[in-house]
Parts: sequence; C-alpha cells; structure tokens
Amino acid sequence: GESVGLHLPTLSVQEGDNSIINCAYSNSASDYFIWYKQESGKGPQFIIDIRSNMDKRQGQRVTVLLNKTVKHLSLQIAATQPGDSAVYFCAENNYGQNFVFGPGTRLSVLP
Amino acid sequence: EAGVAQSPRYKIIEKRQSVAFWCNPISGHATLYWYQQILGQGPKLLIQFQNNGVVDDSQLPKDRFSAERLKGVDSTLKIQPAKLEDSAVYLCASSAHPGGFRDTEAFFGQGTRLTVV
Repeated sequence: GESVGLHLPTLSVQEGDNSIINCAYSNSASDYFIWYKQESGKGPQFIIDIRSNMDKRQGQRVTVLLNKTVKHLSLQIAATQPGDSAVYFCAENNYGQNFVFGPGTRLSVLP
Repeated sequence: EAGVAQSPRYKIIEKRQSVAFWCNPISGHATLYWYQQILGQGPKLLIQFQNNGVVDDSQLPKDRFSAERLKGVDSTLKIQPAKLEDSAVYLCASSAHPGGFRDTEAFFGQGTRLTVV
C-alpha cells in the first residue's frame, strides 16, 4: 500500500514466521538499492544492498529480491524476531544522483 | 567506534522562532548529510557536504534554512524563521567517501525531533 502522512503501511507477523516487505521504486534508471531499518527514536540502519545487475542477494536472515521489469523490491526476513520490529525503508539511486527513500513499512512482530 | 552525534534530541519552538541543530560525524568521515524526515515518511536530503564544501543543496529551502561545516568536521543546521511544516526529525549522516551510501556505508545519527507550535 501507499502511505499518506501518518498512515504507514503496517505488516504484522507472528514471531518465527517469515516476513516479506515490498517496495515500488520510481526511477527506471536507478541501478542501486538499499534497505534500511529504523527503530523508534533511532536513525536508519543499513541492512542490505543490491545492484541492478543482480535479482537476488542474501544476507544473514535477510534476502532482497529485485524485479526491474516492474520496478519492485522486496525484503524477506526469515524467522522474524521481536527485535525486527521497526520501520523498513527502501532507497534507490542512479549513479551521480542522491538516494531517494521510499515512504516506509512498519513491521510489527507479534508474540 | 563512536557513531554520529546529534544534539539536541528534542526541541519545541514557536513558529517564527529560530533553531539550530548540531552534528558531529564519525571521525575521519569527509562527507556529511542533513536529512529531514517528516513523521510517516522516508528521509529527504536537505544538503550534502564534502569536507567543508557544499556538494548538493538543491532541496534546501534557502529562504529559511542554512547549514555550515566550517572546519570540515562538525556541522550546524539552522532554521529561521520556523514554520509549522518544519516539524520533523532532522537526521545527520556521514560517510568516509563522497560516493556515500553507494560506495561505502553511510551512518545516521539518532536525529533531532523538532516540534513547531
């Protein structure tokens, strides 16, 4: 969904389940993407990145998928934990230009 | 390694007043960024410094916002006069290289939450 002001899209998952957070990006020329995690009262923290010559990249418990055809990114979190509760942002970049952040998705992990 | 330090953490001012925020980047980081994050939105770049020079200030509302990084280390962001719509979290980030987010990781501070009433 698309956020409007305070109404961030929210994803609620049970602890231990997998989470999938989606992001639609706007610039077809963007060739580098980052996912950030922002916990309450803190600045964004780098999670994982991917370049446009890849369609998948894996990290520790996280996987990013890139579909350039439909300009879509997803972040998959395996075995979601309470500490994963946060707002997640995707950011896109075209070399030489500044990063543009998406509106964010709030992930809520239920006990 | 010490992170990006920002102060104050919170600030409440009345509209038309002035306010200043301070940022101390990670030691040795040449590139410094100021972002504005309105509640419920992603951060938006206001200004980017490389050492003490401005790389990009195209989205900085220059009629009321100013920023400086005189010695290429600490930076201050000022708003004068403030408007209600300036209520936001102001984030500072730094990176070792000008490629910043792309070529090397950029690190964010905790931000200053500004409320304009």
